[in-house]
Amino acid sequence: QQQVKQSPQSLIVQKGGISIINCAYENTAFDYFPWYQQFPGKGPALLIAIRPDVSEKKEGRFTISFNKSAKQFSLHIMDSQPGDSATYFCAADQAGTALIFGKGTTLSVSS
Amino acid sequence: KAGVTQTPRYLIKTRGQQVTLSCSPISGHRSVSWYQQTPGQGLQFLFEYFSETQRNKGNFPGRFSGRQFSNSRSEMNVSTLELGDSALYLCASSSGVYGSGYTFGSGTRLTVV
Repeated sequence: QQQVKQSPQSLIVQKGGISIINCAYENTAFDYFPWYQQFPGKGPALLIAIRPDVSEKKEGRFTISFNKSAKQFSLHIMDSQPGDSATYFCAADQAGTALIFGKGTTLSVSS
Repeated sequence: KAGVTQTPRYLIKTRGQQVTLSCSPISGHRSVSWYQQTPGQGLQFLFEYFSETQRNKGNFPGRFSGRQFSNSRSEMNVSTLELGDSALYLCASSSGVYGSGYTFGSGTRLTVV
């Protein structure tokens, strides 16, 4: 049973455009929602995270939007750059038990 | 500040053998988690150790085991290797304070032939 569903599987965006990746979860007990970025040959790196009592969090060009009632959250990358080309994973955690990851989105930013 | 160090980076083993992977967390971090990453299943949680005690365990067979030492370094062991165990094994460390985030190492790429 996949508890965190991520879409799209792949995404191509023009340089300067907005990249949007969506995730949906089932378990209402999840209380921590991070996004990770992974480059080939590297481990995932924490980008930004949000708690369910906040509807939006912004850090630089990265913004998480959170909709608790719909059990959905999304990552927006503003002014996308070729260096943002990577695989992005959403995740959810419940009281620090374990990160449950989405299947990942491969982002390609064309110059 | 040194990151999470995993050794070895690459490993090739034969089916039926056993393997031990090592993880040194960020200094001061007391929580170490292990994840398996494969193209088909994605990132899956194996187990988490905090202060030498296993706190949480994922849905993996008993062939997968781990331990943590008093200096927070952790090892993961897989016995009776199967072809399907070929994967990138990632270690993540955390201070143990919930919501502080996890820092991942670069992983150990295990190939079972």
